[in-house]
Amino acid sequence: AQKITQTQPGMFVQEKEAVTLDCTYDTSDPSYGLFWYKQPSSGEMIFLIYQGSYDQQNATEGRYSLNFQKARKSANLVISASQLGDSAMYFCAMREGQDSNYQLIWGAGTKLIIKP
Amino acid sequence: EAEVAQSPRYKITEKSQAVAFWCDPISGHATLYWYRQILGQGPELLVQFQDESVVDDSQLPKDRFSAERLKGVDSTLKIQPAELGDSAMYLCASSFRQARTEEAFFGQGTRLTVV
Repeated sequence: AQKITQTQPGMFVQEKEAVTLDCTYDTSDPSYGLFWYKQPSSGEMIFLIYQGSYDQQNATEGRYSLNFQKARKSANLVISASQLGDSAMYFCAMREGQDSNYQLIWGAGTKLIIKP
Repeated sequence: EAEVAQSPRYKITEKSQAVAFWCDPISGHATLYWYRQILGQGPELLVQFQDESVVDDSQLPKDRFSAERLKGVDSTLKIQPAELGDSAMYLCASSFRQARTEEAFFGQGTRLTVV
């Protein structure tokens, strides 16, 4: 079974609009961390934002925020006021606990294209 | 600013040849990862090191792939012999420690093409 599911293979969004990228996860470990990374066409993975399973507040980093709904096992990334430079692949990832060596488990990604 | 260094950036090799990739993690990072990423997919973990020890290599095709991190600092990933299906991006990442809160920092990757 997929542990990280990103249901949107691709999205087109108009510049300056907000965009939500979906991520659902599956774990029985009460202690886990959720990450979002951006991968431009150049290839490097860029860390965007982190949410811990025990965090009470939704994480925010500049224009990025994470809509964390624990009961639904959902961790959607919200990008406000999108810019042309936001065009990239976006990956959701999860770290479970000690038994899994804290491996990062990755989703398949969403390709985001910002239209001018 | 500290970064993960990888070389080469691009590699074209012929089928059945040997190829090697090098990674130098951020100084002080004990955990090092090698990932393979097929175009359009998420990264797949090949091997994870904690210092010089392998903690997970369950997805490493050991008949042709090998990885080492002899002094617990830089690391080499080798493929011998290379096959057409090995064409992919090979990403190295490091983190300060193994913990659920630790972000992984990535290098720019090596794009391998096997012809």
